[in-house]
Amino acid sequence: AQSVSQHNHHVILSEAASLELGCNYSYGGTVNLFWYVQYPGQHLQLLLKYFSGDPLVKGIKGFEAEFIKSKFSFNLRKPSVQWSDTAEYFCAVNARAGYSTLTFGKGTMLLVSP
Amino acid sequence: GAGVSQSPSNKVTEKGKDVELRCDPISGHTALYWYRQSLGQGLEFLIYFQGNSAPDKSGLPSDRFSAERTGGSVSTLTIQRTQQEDSAVYLCASSSVGDGSYEQYFGPGTRLTVT
Repeated sequence: AQSVSQHNHHVILSEAASLELGCNYSYGGTVNLFWYVQYPGQHLQLLLKYFSGDPLVKGIKGFEAEFIKSKFSFNLRKPSVQWSDTAEYFCAVNARAGYSTLTFGKGTMLLVSP
Repeated sequence: GAGVSQSPSNKVTEKGKDVELRCDPISGHTALYWYRQSLGQGLEFLIYFQGNSAPDKSGLPSDRFSAERTGGSVSTLTIQRTQQEDSAVYLCASSSVGDGSYEQYFGPGTRLTVT
């Protein structure tokens, strides 16, 4: 069975600080990897995804993530956070075998203080 | 284009009552998923429909939960004899092969409160 572990449940940063949110997954096969974001009062939106090619992927709003296969990791980064980045971030994985369900981490709540 | 829509957005029900939650996927998406988001549990998979195949019900927490998808489009999640632990946000997502990533697009959810 797949599992996803997010290292931090809550992160508090000041504006302009750098961000790295950890994500590790457990799965025996080939996977697709996703980061979703949920802003306060809004629904889940895709931030970025990896399914093939360059393991460093860039998403919306200046976010990026690096897939390190040997470490089963897909950490999310942003060099300089803004107050508007305050949200909950979810790492997710599914099996790369056509359609398959997502397994989510428990989420990291990021609070950015102005 | 239109995204995934869900109704109602909020539902308050008394313990023991049945509820129906509706999902309209993105037009042309053949796969439809239901997830549940609750405090402390994160997002949990419930059930998944793909085309005409039998649904994957492996995530349903009890036999009080069921879902159907009519005509390969709209889906209804039914919870019978609701319990307080059923209180959560129920999310629907749909996907197509797209760019090969089978990315899932989520609806706004239905917040269910069981009193």
